[in-house]
Amino acid sequence: SQQGEEDPQALSIQEGENATMNCSYKTSINNLQWYRQNSGRGLVHLILIRSNEREKHSGRLRVTLDTSKKSSSLLITASRAADTASYFCATADLGAGNMLTFGGGTRLMVKP
Amino acid sequence: DSGVTQTPKHLITATGQRVTLRCSPRSGDLSVYWYQQSLDQGLQFLIQYYNGEERAKGNILERFSAQQFPDLHSELNLSSLELGDSALYFCASSGERQGETQYFGPGTRLLVL
Repeated sequence: SQQGEEDPQALSIQEGENATMNCSYKTSINNLQWYRQNSGRGLVHLILIRSNEREKHSGRLRVTLDTSKKSSSLLITASRAADTASYFCATADLGAGNMLTFGGGTRLMVKP
Repeated sequence: DSGVTQTPKHLITATGQRVTLRCSPRSGDLSVYWYQQSLDQGLQFLIQYYNGEERAKGNILERFSAQQFPDLHSELNLSSLELGDSALYFCASSGERQGETQYFGPGTRLLVL
């Protein structure tokens, strides 16, 4: 079953704009990971944030985690057409080993 | 390239048949995970193996089984296939510490006709 919801389900922006995607989850977590998937292809790992971290950066990506609200956000700054993809959050639940529970994903389209 | 390989890339078969999907983890990774991605169920965890032993089980049907061999590659066996089994099947691998990043393979696209 899905861990939570991703918001929005779809997002369309112009190149150069910022894109923000949100993820909510239901249980206590060990960590939260963000992945990108280009039209039905493999999942590419973007960033992992642990439950004791609040913010993490990687290049144009910024991830925040609020464990009190059970939510995370992914910000892509200065977006490019090549960022067009689906973005998924996945949680490693506390006490459930290392299995990942995925959200439904956000489909991002960046128009040139 | 994640370092995780999966074969075959595509598989077309008929209902009632049995198929085997293969996965080779990243060099040094002891854990292998299998996930299914379908339009109606999204991405779902099926099963995890760690160094040859089953570690965790998710929403895996009884018609499905998996194993991890001494060289750490893994196979997912799907039998008595139904139309609803059509999906993308992903393998992922990670190191031995809990909470490590999982790296995904390119997936096997299964179509059951």
